[in-house]
Amino acid sequence: EIALTQSPGTLSLSPGERATLSCRASESVMSNSVAWFQQKPGQPPRLLIYATSSRANGIPDRFSVSGSGTDFTLTISRLEPEDFAVYYCQQYGGSPGYSFGQGTRLEIK
Amino acid sequence: QVQLVQSGAEVKKAGASVKVSCKASGYIFTGYYMHWVRQAPGQGLEWMGRINPQNGVTDFGPNFQGRVTMTRDTSIKTAYLEVNRLRPDDTGVYYCVTSDSSAYYYLGQGTLVTVSS
Repeated sequence: EIALTQSPGTLSLSPGERATLSCRASESVMSNSVAWFQQKPGQPPRLLIYATSSRANGIPDRFSVSGSGTDFTLTISRLEPEDFAVYYCQQYGGSPGYSFGQGTRLEIK
Repeated sequence: QVQLVQSGAEVKKAGASVKVSCKASGYIFTGYYMHWVRQAPGQGLEWMGRINPQNGVTDFGPNFQGRVTMTRDTSIKTAYLEVNRLRPDDTGVYYCVTSDSSAYYYLGQGTLVTVSS
């Protein structure tokens, strides 16, 4: 099973700043096999990014992903108040091959 | 559009079983795996396993072998998750999740299962 480690655990920033969230895999993951979810309190996770770098419907272009192999980065170019939430990366590949990172909490500074 | 509608919240005693349903619409039910994900209170997301709705074959995550069963009824486009011999640490929200050929994920609204000792 591929383990995903997200860092930092908590990120404190102000609206308007740039956020950089990391997701590292214990071994190389398949191409186009990483997704990112955003979750706010009391809500189900919301798909942000699928197939490693494609934005889901309605996700603004301030969200972007870079990376390949074992290291992936979610960047939010300019934080809006509604972006403060918990973010999870996920990978799929192999059998059974699905796993989530432990999450990064993005909080208002 | 793709929709996954889950059954309502459940309260169970330790040792009992719970069965959660997930009714799919808006896509070919037998075409894509149905996954189940658990989220304990205040914790992250944990992949439990998946079922191939076409043939019923299942795969489970390392923490969910043995007490978890996944089934489906293709006639009503519904997937089921059953957890047996419930423990208090099974308390959490359970989500069904599917993805299409583009790896686009769709989630149900979640089902809260509370297990008391």
